[in-house]
Amino acid sequence: AQKITQTQPGMFVQEKEAVTLDCTYDTSDPSYGLFWYKQPSSGEMIFLIYQGSYDQQNATEGRYSLNFQKARKSANLVISASQLGDSAMYFCAMRDTGGFKTIFGAGTRLFVKA
Amino acid sequence: KAGVTQTPRYLIKTRGQQVTLSCSPISGHRSVSWYQQTPGQGLQFLFEYFSETQRNKGNFPGRFSGRQFSNSRSEMNVSTLELGDSALYLCASSLRLAGVIGETQYFGPGTRLLVL
Repeated sequence: AQKITQTQPGMFVQEKEAVTLDCTYDTSDPSYGLFWYKQPSSGEMIFLIYQGSYDQQNATEGRYSLNFQKARKSANLVISASQLGDSAMYFCAMRDTGGFKTIFGAGTRLFVKA
Repeated sequence: KAGVTQTPRYLIKTRGQQVTLSCSPISGHRSVSWYQQTPGQGLQFLFEYFSETQRNKGNFPGRFSGRQFSNSRSEMNVSTLELGDSALYLCASSLRLAGVIGETQYFGPGTRLLVL
């Protein structure tokens, strides 16, 4: 069965430092996609980055990069040069060909300290 | 392009009432999915509509229903509200079916429903 696990309920990071948010997933399907979303206190889910299971390189989008380790079934989000505006909930999500829906992890709340 | 819009943003209802939430997808997007977000259960998939047809449904009771119009706008209805229905209801749109690998869903700001 599909499963997404985010083991860090909360994380603190100093402004301008890098931070890694952990995500592990479970699926028996060789074809799947992994997503990261940011949810500020306003509630809107903001798409950050996508990694496909067959992608050879780790995805990057500006200050966001995805550390994809397929054998370990992990897809950690790395945020470089943290900013105060990065304080939010971050969700890892997955979709495979077996399901017709996206499943989400429990989320990690990131606090950026000035 | 305008993003996904949801109305109303906030809603207070009492038990037993019904409620209708609205979602307008990004222009050109044909898929609309609905999610319920609560502190206890996290984000849970409700259903997806594509070309006015429900394509997939999550594990929610029949009190939760939806529909999609020819312009891709979607409505979600909850009848006989219960206290446990208090949640943030998020709508997401995508160009193709959300089940397509790599298809990115874009979310609206959500409707916060409080049931008293």
